[in-house]
Amino acid sequence: SQQGEEDPQALSIQEGENATMNCSYKTSINNLQWYRQNSGRGLVHLILIRSNEREKHSGRLRVTLDTSKKSSSLLITASRAADTASYFCATEEEYGNKLVFGAGTILRVKS
Amino acid sequence: EPEVTQTPSHQVTQMGQEVILRCVPISNHLYFYWYRQILGQKVEFLVSFYNNEISEKSEIFDDQFSVERPDGSNFTLKIRSTKLEDSAMYFCASRSGIAETQYFGPGTRLLVL
Repeated sequence: SQQGEEDPQALSIQEGENATMNCSYKTSINNLQWYRQNSGRGLVHLILIRSNEREKHSGRLRVTLDTSKKSSSLLITASRAADTASYFCATEEEYGNKLVFGAGTILRVKS
Repeated sequence: EPEVTQTPSHQVTQMGQEVILRCVPISNHLYFYWYRQILGQKVEFLVSFYNNEISEKSEIFDDQFSVERPDGSNFTLKIRSTKLEDSAMYFCASRSGIAETQYFGPGTRLLVL
């Protein structure tokens, strides 16, 4: 798989449920960032986790990073219809500068 | 809260025409980027810019593309002779330092006919 691949590709849940999205990558990284994109709109930054961090929280978001497995997960708790969007992980390589994005997970939260 | 802005929000152009996409990064940021997203595909890196010069560019960023920071606030992407395959959403991003968060603008949707 390519750098920053998410799974699942699509996820449909009921409002109030938790949503978990996973991201895998291949190279050593400085950090991993999660973004949200509403249909056809801009990229909204959600959270950045550095390579020396294992877990981070922001409101209803929880991100984990396992550098030994080169993987990350994004958990959205108590989901709302407004969380419906595409979610992307993006990695910044260890000696890099740019972000490398995955293909994203399309989350649909049904009310 | 400071944000990255982009103009125009939409641009329609004829194949072979030149287009300039404009961005105003967050004011104290030092690193600037352009990315693009073809409909239904991944966000792809085009170019990064620091200290008034290109620091990295992708294979996509060929001689038809150029970037400029003409003054202290604007950051532009020029496509000299557009092709149909240049149709995409173009995002500008900026950040204050290496390994910090990149903040993205709302994008310019470019359609080449």
